Amino acid sequence: QKEVEQNSGPLSVPEGAIASLNCTYSDRGSQSFFWYRQYSGKSPELIMSIYSNGDKEDGRFTAQLNKASQYVSLLIRDSQPSDSATYLCAVSIAGGGADGLTFGKGTHLIIQP
Amino acid sequence: DTGVSQNPRHKITKRGQNVTFRCDPISEHNRLYWYRQTLGQGPEFLTYFQNEAQLEKSRLLSDRFSAERPKGSFSTLEIQRTEQGDSAMYLCASSFGGQPRTGELFFGEGSRLTVL
Repeated sequence: QKEVEQNSGPLSVPEGAIASLNCTYSDRGSQSFFWYRQYSGKSPELIMSIYSNGDKEDGRFTAQLNKASQYVSLLIRDSQPSDSATYLCAVSIAGGGADGLTFGKGTHLIIQP
Repeated sequence: DTGVSQNPRHKITKRGQNVTFRCDPISEHNRLYWYRQTLGQGPEFLTYFQNEAQLEKSRLLSDRFSAERPKGSFSTLEIQRTEQGDSAMYLCASSFGGQPRTGELFFGEGSRLTVL
């Protein structure tokens, strides 16, 4: 049983600060890791993907992966009120296997103006 | 390209009725996924297709659920004899077939089902 765990929040962060979102996963065979953002009433939108240990930066977003600890995180710098959303962590097993993503329940992030 | 399109966006039905949802993926994507999402939960994988072949089905997909992708383009998800527990948002997504980008999903706006 593959599991992806996230703190459901809400996580409240003042505008301009760094928001840190965390995720752990149970399956050591997981190879691909994703962060999706979901605004209330909308569908998920991919914001970051990471496939190897270390950091990956894209604008204000940084994804961090530590496969030994089975841990992936997302940092949002200079948080804006428009970043307020639910952030879903998702993992999959690569290598061509027949597998859909396994999502966590998401962390609800609130950026306070 | 208009992205992933789903219809109907909302469906209200009575328990025991059948419903069908349609998904039109991004044209150059050969993988198509169906997920179900309820309030406060992440999307749950139901099934996926590579071209017209249905390659995996979750155990969540009971015998009342069936999905098709007859020509490798659009897909339909049918729920027979609906139950109140089927009430959820049904999300369709598509992606490229090449690893590792298969997890880079592009979601449609979803079809919300309410079973009375």
